[in-house]
Amino acid sequence: AQSVTQLDSQVPVFEEAPVELRCNYSSSVSVYLFWYVQYPNQGLQLLLKYLSGSTLVKGINGFEAEFNKSQTSFHLRKPSVHISDTAEYFCAVSSYNQAGTALIFGKGTTLSVSS
Amino acid sequence: GAGVSQSPSNKVTEKGKDVELRCDPISGHTALYWYRQSLGQGLEFLIYFQGNSAPDKSGLPSDRFSAERTGGSVSTLTIQRTQQEDSAVYLCASSPGPLDTEAFFGQGTRLTVV
Repeated sequence: AQSVTQLDSQVPVFEEAPVELRCNYSSSVSVYLFWYVQYPNQGLQLLLKYLSGSTLVKGINGFEAEFNKSQTSFHLRKPSVHISDTAEYFCAVSSYNQAGTALIFGKGTTLSVSS
Repeated sequence: GAGVSQSPSNKVTEKGKDVELRCDPISGHTALYWYRQSLGQGLEFLIYFQGNSAPDKSGLPSDRFSAERTGGSVSTLTIQRTQQEDSAVYLCASSPGPLDTEAFFGQGTRLTVV
């Protein structure tokens, strides 16, 4: 069965510092990988996705993520964060399974950016 | 509609009562997902529909939970004999396809069982 592990439940950083939110997945088949963001009191929206091709994918708001198949990881990075990046970030994996398909999320990482 | 619509936005119910949560997906989206979001638990997968059929029901936590989708559109999640541990935000998402496309989320229904 697929699973997603987000290694940090909370990440506090100062404004303009770099940040990395870690995500590992387990799946015995090919996967598609996603990062979603949930700003305070808002719904989830897609940040970026990896389907195939280049392992470095760029998303909205200056975020990027790198797919590493050997380490089964899909870490999210931003070189310089802003206060407005404060939100909860979810890593998700999608793949076919015996039942058809599934989109499974991790438990989320709360990014808190302070000045 | 322009986005995924869920109703009601908030629901307070007494323990033991049944509740129905509704999801209107984006028109034309064939895939529909239900999740439960609790503090510190992330998004717990409940059920997935492709069209009107539900190939993956593995996430439903107990037989008190059921869901249906009619006309390849509206979906209803029903919780029978609600318990306090059912209190959570229930999120619905839809996507144009089942696997490699973005899922669009509704604002959720906040269920409180008292």
